[in-house]
Order: sequence, then C-alpha cells, then structure tokens
Amino acid sequence: EAGVAQSPRYKIIEKRQSVAFWCNPISGHATLYWYQQILGQGPKLLIQFQNNGVVDDSQLPKDRFSAERLKGVDSTLKIQPAKLEDSAVYLCASSLLTGKEETQYFGPGTRLLVL
Amino acid sequence: EDKVVQSPLSLVVHEGDTVTLNCSYEVTNFRSLLWYKQEKKAPTFLFMLTSSGIEKKSGRLSSILDKKELSSILNITATQTGDSAIYLCAVDGGGTQGGSEKLVFGKGTKLTVNP
Repeated sequence: EAGVAQSPRYKIIEKRQSVAFWCNPISGHATLYWYQQILGQGPKLLIQFQNNGVVDDSQLPKDRFSAERLKGVDSTLKIQPAKLEDSAVYLCASSLLTGKEETQYFGPGTRLLVL
Repeated sequence: EDKVVQSPLSLVVHEGDTVTLNCSYEVTNFRSLLWYKQEKKAPTFLFMLTSSGIEKKSGRLSSILDKKELSSILNITATQTGDSAIYLCAVDGGGTQGGSEKLVFGKGTKLTVNP
C-alpha cells in the first residue's frame, strides 16, 4: 500500500513570497489533515477535510493560509504572503473514518524555510 | 483548550538502560491517547490507548493509560541506539463530524541513546 505523498520535500523562499504544498493521501482515506510542526514543538493541526469538505479550520491563519481538496482526493496548502514565523515542517496525514487503531498515517512532510 | 504536556523534554541514556516517558493531558472530550515515534521525518504510530484498552505492549515498548490521573507513560526497556528519536504523545478529543479524530500533540520527548 502506497503511503501519503507530499511535495516538494524542501522549499526556501523569501518573506512575502507565496508557496504551495501538495499532498496525495492513501487511496480510499476520506479524512485528510494538514499540520504545522515548528522546530521543537509537536505538530499543530491547521485544517481537516472529510472528503472535499472542511471539518475544522479553527487554527488556520486564514489571512494568509488557504487549503483546498476539490475532488476529495489530493489537497494543496498555500501560504500567501509568507512570514518568517511560517518556517516549519508541514505534515499531511490521512485516515479512514473508522476510528480503529493506526488511524492517521503521516506523509514525509515539506520543510519550509522563510528568509 | 485541550492541552498535552510531555516530560522530560530531553533525555540521554546509554544502551541497555530503561526509560520512562511521561504525558499528561487536559481534554474536554477524551477518546484516546496515542504515542508516535518521530525520527527525521514523519511521525510513525506506536500505540493507541483508550478507556477499554489502557495497557499496550510491543516488544521492548509498553504504555499505560491512567485515566484517573489524566496521564500516560511510555516505557522502553533495554534501549538501543535505534530508539533515538522524538516521542510524541497526542490526545484525540474527537472531531466535530462523525468518527473523525482531532489530535492535540505535546512537544515531544527527545530521546538519545548512546552506545
């Protein structure tokens, strides 16, 4: 079974530029999550989709962050414009909606550095 | 606001030692507590503990949930250098739709096992 795919793996941009990350979840997983992990912290949920609908985006800085999952499969997360404090690893995870063990599978992450 | 606190934040031991990692939580609607291991990339799932499954064991790793004390421990016996990683504790407070998860992570414990 293929895992969660993310691209790019690394990105370096200057502040005020825009950047987009892509995630392809495990086939058949209805729920998709984007997390931000700042160095020395645990992952923090940014947004959660169930199929193509947003379930929770309460911690997404909506003035600069946006995300979509138009066809209920892959998803993009965009930052526009980026700030220095956005430097972090952005993790995508997906899960089935059954609540059984090993529910969230994480992708390798995109490491963003904002200069 | 749901909260997860892990201790210690950092730990250095020698191969063969036994370690105990701690996690305490405050959550409005507890559903489960999860432990993840994070090496250089994505968190990988270790255990899920719930009200009906408060103790789990896999090889040299074991974990116990204390619902009365709102805490959990992760034990690693006979540590090996390959156990060096960040160990993340997360609590699922339940998503707003259906059976979806909503994980709140602690900052993690960085374990270094020296030969």
